[in-house]
Amino acid sequence: QKEVEQDPGPLSVPEGAIVSLNCTYSNSAFQYFMWYRQYSRKGPELLMYTYSSGNKEDGRFTAQVDKSSKYISLFIRDSQPSDSATYLCAMSRGSNYKLTFGKGTLLTVNP
Amino acid sequence: DSGVTQTPKHLITATGQRVTLRCSPRSGDLSVYWYQQSLDQGLQFLIQYYNGEERAKGNILERFSAQQFPDLHSELNLSSLELGDSALYFCASSAPMGEQYFGPGTRLTVT
Repeated sequence: QKEVEQDPGPLSVPEGAIVSLNCTYSNSAFQYFMWYRQYSRKGPELLMYTYSSGNKEDGRFTAQVDKSSKYISLFIRDSQPSDSATYLCAMSRGSNYKLTFGKGTLLTVNP
Repeated sequence: DSGVTQTPKHLITATGQRVTLRCSPRSGDLSVYWYQQSLDQGLQFLIQYYNGEERAKGNILERFSAQQFPDLHSELNLSSLELGDSALYFCASSAPMGEQYFGPGTRLTVT
C-alpha cells in the first residue's frame, strides 16, 4: 500500500463548477499537509499549507484535513480554465522534513 | 516566481555520462531538497541539505550525489547515466514554517 493515494483522474468540469480533490494516507506520523498545482512540465506551485485537522480557506481554495480518517481534500470554487493543471497533495512528518506526494490529479476546466 | 532558481532548464546527454544540476534557494532559506519526477513514479524525494550538512536521504541511487555550498546553493551530480534517469529534477527550499517552494526544474534526457 502506498503511503499517499490520490485518484489520478482525469477530471473534467465546466467553468464555474466546484471541484473536489482528495487524498488518503496511511502513515499517521504525517502532521503537515500541502496542495500544489503543477502546470505541464513546470515546477509545483504551493497553494495551501496546513497543520492539524480542520479547514483553511484562501480565496477560491479551501483545504480540509481529517486526521482521524487520514483524508485530505482541496475544494476549488468558481473554477476557471486557468485552474486546468495537475494537483498534487503532499505531506510530511515535520516542518522541515521531506515531502511525500500523491501521484497527482489532472484537472481540466472547460470554458 | 518561487524565488528558487535552477540551471540548466534542459539537458540532453548520452548514457554513461555525468551531469551537474544547480539550484539556488530562496534568500534566507537554509534547507534545500532535491526531488525527481518521472511519469511512472511521480515526485520522489532524493536528498535534503540544511545549512551545508546532509540531513536526510531518500531513494537516491549511489550514482547520484549532492552537496550544499557555503553560499547555500546546491548541486546534484548524476553519473553513469542510464536511460531510466531521464526525468524532471526539482529543487525546493523551505521557509521557516516549513513550506517548501519549488524551482522550475531541470529536464534531463538521456539518449
